[in-house]
Amino acid sequence: NAGVTQTPKFQVLKTGQSMTLQCAQDMNHNSMYWYRQDPGMGLRLIYYSASEGTTDKGEVPNGYNVSRLNKREFSLRLESAAPSQTSVYFCASMRGHFYSNQPQHFGDGTRLSIL
Amino acid sequence: SQQGEEDPQALSIQEGENATMNCSYKTSINNLQWYRQNSGRGLVHLILIRSNEREKHSGRLRVTLDTSKKSSSLLITASRAADTASYFCATDRNTGNQFYFGTGTSLTVIP
Repeated sequence: NAGVTQTPKFQVLKTGQSMTLQCAQDMNHNSMYWYRQDPGMGLRLIYYSASEGTTDKGEVPNGYNVSRLNKREFSLRLESAAPSQTSVYFCASMRGHFYSNQPQHFGDGTRLSIL
Repeated sequence: SQQGEEDPQALSIQEGENATMNCSYKTSINNLQWYRQNSGRGLVHLILIRSNEREKHSGRLRVTLDTSKKSSSLLITASRAADTASYFCATDRNTGNQFYFGTGTSLTVIP
């Protein structure tokens, strides 16, 4: 099994450009998450989807939008990229609902630089 | 704001030694999880401990949880060079649908 697959792995954008980060999981998981990881900050939750058809804001949602396209896919969109959004973005999925005491499974990340 | 904080920020030990890292958190939790991240890779789940558990083992890993002190520790015994990575704790807040990660402990195991 591939697990959680993120594309692209690297991307360089100019300020103001838009792009969509793709995430797909093949484990039939219900919940999916988008995090950003910055030096010294740990991981911070941007958006999550507890089930197909639902999305909710996390800790740092400003400047981002998400789409839960189907059970497998959860995309993250930057409408107008800003240098402050330079980061490593991780997608994760989890089998059960939030209180099911299940681990999250992570992709290998997208390294995004905005000039 | 960060829910979990790991301590120390960095740790360097010789192969074969034990490594201990700690996590403190601020609010009540349902469970606490530990993850490992190798350089340039995503996080990998290591172990989950529920709020009503005090200790859990998995191979060379031992995790303790003290809810009265709002803290947890991860012990890696007989460390190997392959254990070199960053280690993160993650907590839920017992409300909402969000997990909160600490800033991590960077472990270097010297062969």
